[in-house]
Amino acid sequence: QKEVEQNSGPLSVPEGAIASLNCTYSDRGSQSFFWYRQYSGKSPELIMSIYSNGDKEDGRFTAQLNKASQYVSLLIRDSQPSDSATYLCAVTTGGSYIPTFGRGTSLIVHP
Amino acid sequence: DADVTQTPRNRITKTGKRIMLECSQTKGHDRMYWYRQDPGLGLQLIYYSFDVKDINKGEISDGYSVSRQAQAKFSLSLESAIPNQTALYFCATSDSGGAVDTQYFGPGTRLTVL
Repeated sequence: QKEVEQNSGPLSVPEGAIASLNCTYSDRGSQSFFWYRQYSGKSPELIMSIYSNGDKEDGRFTAQLNKASQYVSLLIRDSQPSDSATYLCAVTTGGSYIPTFGRGTSLIVHP
Repeated sequence: DADVTQTPRNRITKTGKRIMLECSQTKGHDRMYWYRQDPGLGLQLIYYSFDVKDINKGEISDGYSVSRQAQAKFSLSLESAIPNQTALYFCATSDSGGAVDTQYFGPGTRLTVL
């Protein structure tokens, strides 16, 4: 069974700090990796996707993938209170392209 | 206008009632999905459809059924609602001709079964 594990948190960081969110997955054949942000009571929205080992940067966000160790992380630089949300890690494997979601990590950025 | 819409946005019903949740999309995507989300449990896939004539069960399909009326419409039915089906339900789409594994979510339907 495919599993995607995240620490539920909450992860609390001060405004301006770097927030580091981690995700591990069980299926070594996993191909695509995603981070979705979900505000309370709202729907998930894609913030980053990554497909190959290494780092991918988009503004204040950096996704890091290490397939050998089966983890993917999300770094949020200069964290803002508006970044306070739950971050869902999602992983796809094989030809169906249907993602398996982790349970999410709650991030709180305090002023 | 929202690309993926869901109706109703909130619904309170009683045990044993049949209800339908509807999803429409204007993104032109061929793939559609229904998820439920319970606090602390992440997103669980109920059903998915890759085109109008294709319906597949997800990990938690018991007690649910779906209908793909058109490429743009995908409905979820609870034949006889029970309290443990109280949850937040999301419809999502993806595009087999593009970033096929990127999901685009509707705003969600909050369902309460008394």
